[in-house]
Amino acid sequence: QKEVEQDPGPLSVPEGAIVSLNCTYSNSAFQYFMWYRQYSRKGPELLMYTYSSGNKEDGRFTAQVDKSSKYISLFIRDSQPSDSATYLCAMIETGRRALTFGSGTRLQVQP
Amino acid sequence: DAGVTQSPTHLIKTRGQQVTLRCSPKSGHDTVSWYQQALGQGPQFIFQYYEEEERQRGNFPDRFSGHQFPNYSSELNVNALLLGDSALYLCASSSRTSGGHTDTQYFGPGTRLTVL
Repeated sequence: QKEVEQDPGPLSVPEGAIVSLNCTYSNSAFQYFMWYRQYSRKGPELLMYTYSSGNKEDGRFTAQVDKSSKYISLFIRDSQPSDSATYLCAMIETGRRALTFGSGTRLQVQP
Repeated sequence: DAGVTQSPTHLIKTRGQQVTLRCSPKSGHDTVSWYQQALGQGPQFIFQYYEEEERQRGNFPDRFSGHQFPNYSSELNVNALLLGDSALYLCASSSRTSGGHTDTQYFGPGTRLTVL
């Protein structure tokens, strides 16, 4: 079993829809949680960074962490065709160096 | 402000050969991590360099080695290439000296390595 599980998709939604992307994990030592966006043949771009449980909002993006359920989510409001990309969740233990990634969810926003 | 840069963009090698990939971190960053991303997968941690030393290593064989220079740039070397080494190799930079609980890692565009 992988440490971080992520539905690979693809997830196809109409423009303007609310998108929900999720990851589950098994390592209770993970304390920091990130979401990266990766366009085709590009490097991952950091979108959101959260520490421990709770919500964080940045523009159209909201990240949620539920450590008791070992479950994290990224919500995208008013989705745009430019949001079409692969979304990777990543997490890391305090004091460690290595990010552990999910396998990514491919999102397509249809105009 | 230049972000993380990597060279070359693409590389084609044959089995058994050796390859060197290069990375320059974002301005103000002193730490470089390397990741391997196979097609359709998330990146996998190879190792991290800080103060010119390898600080942590992922589950990769000794064929993968690295170096960090005094200007914080870094190289990833892979010897005795295998077909399975074909992947996107990503460099991420961060700042250990900025404080905080952990590194926020920013990625470069990657080097796509194809092994024939």
